Amino acid sequence: EIVLTQSPGTLSLSLGERATLSCRASQSVSSSLAWYQQKPGQAPRLLIYDASNRATGIPARFSGSGSGTDFTLTISSLEPEDFAVYYCQHRSNWPLVTFGQGTRLEIK
Amino acid sequence: QLQLQESGPGLMKPSETLSLTCTVSGASISSSSFYWGWVRQPPGKGLQWIGSIFYSGSTYYNPSLKSRFTISVDTSKNQFSLKLTSVTAADTAVYYCAREKGTKLDNWGQGTLVTVSS
Repeated sequence: EIVLTQSPGTLSLSLGERATLSCRASQSVSSSLAWYQQKPGQAPRLLIYDASNRATGIPARFSGSGSGTDFTLTISSLEPEDFAVYYCQHRSNWPLVTFGQGTRLEIK
Repeated sequence: QLQLQESGPGLMKPSETLSLTCTVSGASISSSSFYWGWVRQPPGKGLQWIGSIFYSGSTYYNPSLKSRFTISVDTSKNQFSLKLTSVTAADTAVYYCAREKGTKLDNWGQGTLVTVSS
């Protein structure tokens, strides 16, 4: 079973700063990785799929990169609505869905 | 526009059986392009995939969870359901239904909080 490890656990940044969130897989997942944003009291929202493709309606300040075992979600310039919890996710061919433990992005 | 809506009891007693239903609107659950899944989130914790179902009835479950979960589909009602037997306080969580498209979960219900308490 693939384990996804996200870092850091909490990231404290200011408005306008660049955010870099990491997700590491315990074995190669090729480009099969997605990112989600979750705000309090809301369902997760798909941001990025297949490592680097933005989902419909997602602003261009969100970008994803990586392949194999190391992935990054970058938010180029933080807006107030970006402060939330972010999860990475992999779906195997089995199909088994795995989530990372999450990174909380908070206002500094 | 695709919408998913969970329904079920908000409060359960230990040892009871939980039944949740997800009603899909704006798309056919019988499409061969998607799986339909359940994810839960205990208060203050992360996301845990429970399992998913194909319209044909094929099911897949998280092997790390005990086999108390059953997922079923009713294509005539465009719904799929989750059953959890012998609930305990550890099953207290927000339960989400979601559409699985390829490698991603691209549409989610708003979630329903299930509390297990005596």
